[in-house]
Amino acid sequence: GQQVMQIPQYQHVQEGEDFTTYCNSSTTLSNIQWYKQRPGGHPVFLIQLVKSGEVKKQKRLTFQFGEAKKNSSLHITATQTTDVGTYFCANTNAGKSTFGDGTTLTVKP
Amino acid sequence: DGGITQSPKYLFRKEGQNVTLSCEQNLNHDAMYWYRQDPGQGLRLIYYSQIVNDFQKGDIAEGYSVSREKKESFPLTVTSAQKNPTAFYLCASSMGQRVGYTFGSGTRLTVV
Repeated sequence: GQQVMQIPQYQHVQEGEDFTTYCNSSTTLSNIQWYKQRPGGHPVFLIQLVKSGEVKKQKRLTFQFGEAKKNSSLHITATQTTDVGTYFCANTNAGKSTFGDGTTLTVKP
Repeated sequence: DGGITQSPKYLFRKEGQNVTLSCEQNLNHDAMYWYRQDPGQGLRLIYYSQIVNDFQKGDIAEGYSVSREKKESFPLTVTSAQKNPTAFYLCASSMGQRVGYTFGSGTRLTVV
């Protein structure tokens, strides 16, 4: 896959605040996947985006793929303590996925 | 229930010893992958296999070896040539290139 960079590395929020993590690439991506890894756990696949400008929602989570297909974002509305964990973006190319370094979210009750 | 089983969950080995990590899936997925995760870092690809009896090196294959004799199984051997083997090892599988991965629960390897 193509190299993807994630920002920020860490985000601390108060419960109820919103959270956004960004995934950027210097090259055009054919796809983006998002995963969530709870502390001490393993990554769990959330969603895949493939179309330019695509927006998908899962309850309080909104995923976007940029018009130029070089960036993506995951936005969580009104965070809850169950949202804690590390969120990874990944790109699949030539049969393998390359992961970003992740954004670790902590939520203060 | 279908899934991926990695065993053991925790593994301790002495420096200089080879160790094999098990990964079994009953999802009927063609592709399988091994990733390494170090504390606070992302996932780095060690090896992957698209079909039985075939596999390719990932980004950090040195010091590791794999086999894919059966569709369900993709064991990873961490050899004594791996300079810094202590890490969290994750096995994954997928049906194809356009779907996300299903990960196992991982094996935490500590070499002392």
